[in-house]
Amino acid sequence: SQKIEQNSEALNIQEGKTATLTCNYTNYSPAYLQWYRQDPGRGPVFLLLIRENEKEKRKERLKVTFDTTLKQSLFHITASQPADSATYLCALHPDGFQKLVFGTGTRLLVSP
Amino acid sequence: NAGVTQTPKFQVLKTGQSMTLQCAQDMNHEYMSWYRQDPGMGLRLIHYSVGAGITDQGEVPNGYNVSRSTTEDFPLRLLSAAPSQTSVYFCASSPPWRGSTDTQYFGPGTRLTVL
Repeated sequence: SQKIEQNSEALNIQEGKTATLTCNYTNYSPAYLQWYRQDPGRGPVFLLLIRENEKEKRKERLKVTFDTTLKQSLFHITASQPADSATYLCALHPDGFQKLVFGTGTRLLVSP
Repeated sequence: NAGVTQTPKFQVLKTGQSMTLQCAQDMNHEYMSWYRQDPGMGLRLIHYSVGAGITDQGEVPNGYNVSRSTTEDFPLRLLSAAPSQTSVYFCASSPPWRGSTDTQYFGPGTRLTVL
């Protein structure tokens, strides 16, 4: 069956450290993968999109990698801050068009 | 621009009642979709639309109806509410598909409780 897996346990890190979140998928061959941030009581907000032919994408303190052989994407936040505390969702396009399938998300807690 | 708006923010229904969740966007986006989010299940696609007059089913369409008569509006109808439909519902929209630039804009959500 098709699955997108993200660590369901919260990730606790100290301010200033690098947070690394994992997204693994099974039985998909996505051309694109996206990462979203979701704060409690709010809708998800788009962060980054990476294509299958891009190994890495950066935006300010954020970095995403996409390994189609391992079927995995890693999401990094460098120099993390308490304001980065949120749930991070990965999503992919299962059939190459706009329809998105989401993982369950990983909650990140950054303590001062 | 208001972006994607959803009404109501909260709703309590009794089993068997029907209601419509409203979603509107003012960005002239062709693609709109409805998700439900449950603890431990993530966001699951209910229905989506690639333009006015065109809708299709997502992963969990049973018990829900949609229509798309205008580009701006994409209402979600619960025909006969059941406790299993207790969830947070999100509407999203995105501009025409160009592959590398697609992103979805989400509304603030509607929290629905069915007793």
